[in-house]
Amino acid sequence: AQSVTQLDSQVPVFEEAPVELRCNYSSSVSVYLFWYVQYPNQGLQLLLKYLSGSTLVKGINGFEAEFNKSQTSFHLRKPSVHISDTAEYFCAVRSYGNKLVFGAGTILRVKS
Amino acid sequence: DTAVSQTPKYLVTQMGNDKSIKCEQNLGHDTMYWYKQDSKKFLKIMFSYNNKELIINETVPNRFSPKSPDKAHLNLHINSLELGDSAVYFCASSQAYGGAYEQYFGPGTRLTVT
Repeated sequence: AQSVTQLDSQVPVFEEAPVELRCNYSSSVSVYLFWYVQYPNQGLQLLLKYLSGSTLVKGINGFEAEFNKSQTSFHLRKPSVHISDTAEYFCAVRSYGNKLVFGAGTILRVKS
Repeated sequence: DTAVSQTPKYLVTQMGNDKSIKCEQNLGHDTMYWYKQDSKKFLKIMFSYNNKELIINETVPNRFSPKSPDKAHLNLHINSLELGDSAVYFCASSQAYGGAYEQYFGPGTRLTVT
């Protein structure tokens, strides 16, 4: 069965610093991976997705992620964060029936 | 124009009551989902429907009954509400086939059972 582990529950970072949010997955079938962002009291917004092809995926708001099959990872990165990036970030893998299996989430706190 | 909408946004009710949450999508997708986000922000699938047919029923108590009158709507009815049902419920939609797979989420319904 597919599963996702987000290794950090919270990541504090100063504004304009780079950030990496870590995600490891377990899947026995073709891997489709997603990162979603949830701002306070809002729904989930898709940041980026990996379905196939290039392992470096670029998303919205300057985020990118790299699919690494040998390490079963899909880490999210941004070279320079803003205060407005403060939110919770969820990594997810597509499973049977097209359902998403989510990680526990990582809270990104950007400090000025 | 909202892609996936849910009503109500907030729902406060007492134990034992019955309540419904409605969801509509205008993306032309053929699959809709209900997810539950608990107090620790953990998200878990509850149900999915493809073209009005139930595809996934993820060990949810039978007090929860989804209904899909057409492929643009998926409602969630909850009978005999319990304290543990307090959570945020998200509706989502996607295209099941064709390679896209990403799901679009509604704004959520925060259910509080007292």
